[in-house]
Amino acid sequence: DIQMTQSPSTLSASVGDRVTITCRASQSISTWLAWYQQKPGKAPKLIVFKASDLQSGVPSRFSGSGSGTEFTLTISSLQPDDFATYYCQQCYTYSRTFGQGTKLQIK
Amino acid sequence: EEQLVESGGGPAKPGGSLRLSCAASGFTFSSHTMNWVRQAPGKVLEWVSSISSNSRYIDYADSVKGRFTVSRDNTENSLYLQMTGLQVEDTAVYFCAKEVGAYLLDSWGQGTLVTVSS
Repeated sequence: DIQMTQSPSTLSASVGDRVTITCRASQSISTWLAWYQQKPGKAPKLIVFKASDLQSGVPSRFSGSGSGTEFTLTISSLQPDDFATYYCQQCYTYSRTFGQGTKLQIK
Repeated sequence: EEQLVESGGGPAKPGGSLRLSCAASGFTFSSHTMNWVRQAPGKVLEWVSSISSNSRYIDYADSVKGRFTVSRDNTENSLYLQMTGLQVEDTAVYFCAKEVGAYLLDSWGQGTLVTVSS
């Protein structure tokens, strides 16, 4: 099975900051990677697919990049609504593995 | 508007059974692979099972294989998860999710909580 490892596990930042979350795959997955945002008590929301494509309706301050085994999600200028947990997911094999999550919290 | 509404969660004893349902609306249910994903309290997301649009292709996570059975009824726009041999480790919120393209989950329900405890 492909393992997905995110870093950091927790990230403290302030409104207006630029932040980057990293996701590493245990083997190459080309660009078959998605990012989800989840708020407490809510379902995950798809924000990026195919490593760098923004889901419809997602603000342009979100961007994704990477290929192979290393990927990043960047938020260019944090807004209050962005404080949440972010998960990466490999879309390369049927096991659809998720990373362990990165909790983005207010500093 | 696409909507997925799960039901059927609740308490269960170890070794017991539960059947989860997911009612879909706002999209052509019969055209999409559907998934169950779970999240134990305070834990990460874990994919559980998927079923293709015509039920021909079904997959399970190793952790539930042989105990859980996924099915769907395209005439009722409904997805199901029959869970047997429940274990304490199966305690989680269970989400149903619609798949688009390759293994991409673009629409999720709000989840139903399953609690397995003696």
